[in-house]
Amino acid sequence: DAKTTQPTSMDCAEGRAANLPCNHSTISGNEYVYWYRQIHSQGPQYIIHGLKNNETNEMASLIITEDRKSSTLILPHATLRDTAVYYCIVRVAWGGSEKLVFGKGTKLTVNP
Amino acid sequence: DTEVTQTPKHLVMGMTNKKSLKCEQHMGHRAMYWYKQKAKKPPELMFVYSYEKLSINESVPSRFSPECPNSSLLNLHLHALQPEDSALYLCASSHDGTSYYNEQFFGPGTRLTVL
Repeated sequence: DAKTTQPTSMDCAEGRAANLPCNHSTISGNEYVYWYRQIHSQGPQYIIHGLKNNETNEMASLIITEDRKSSTLILPHATLRDTAVYYCIVRVAWGGSEKLVFGKGTKLTVNP
Repeated sequence: DTEVTQTPKHLVMGMTNKKSLKCEQHMGHRAMYWYKQKAKKPPELMFVYSYEKLSINESVPSRFSPECPNSSLLNLHLHALQPEDSALYLCASSHDGTSYYNEQFFGPGTRLTVL
């Protein structure tokens, strides 16, 4: 399984962009990068995923480096409700099903 | 309906009890998952069902017994649990486990305490 490395914690001011980095240097060519977040005591929430192109949706943008060894999740205008643990995950295919292997994640705190 | 529901929200049980956790989705998803999450730790995969068949068992002790009676329901039967099994149990579902658009939708979890 490709491993991911994320900073343990980050702070961001409300209204500013939050840029969360992730290293996945052992990722293989057909593995996707997924981002989920977990707000305290709730189930994880899907944010975005990508293979090699940059992706954007209503929640965030995902920037993947050309060599695919790292990526950055961007929350363009962070709010207090974005305070959560953010998980960067490389999706591993296993037979007909997919495994998500969660690492320790980054605890993002958005400050007023 | 993009919701995964789990019941009960909280469960307290003794080590000799038998109980079940229930998970339901009506999104037409054909892959369903059980995860276990201890306090301040990331979720850990326990089981995966794909098209109502068990496809992954992450070497979970037999005191946890999953069941997928149909494509919308997933149960986790609990028997003779230990206090260290106390955790948040999360259910998730996804399209079919293999397509590009395969994000997992998680339920709110069942907080289990074993006395």
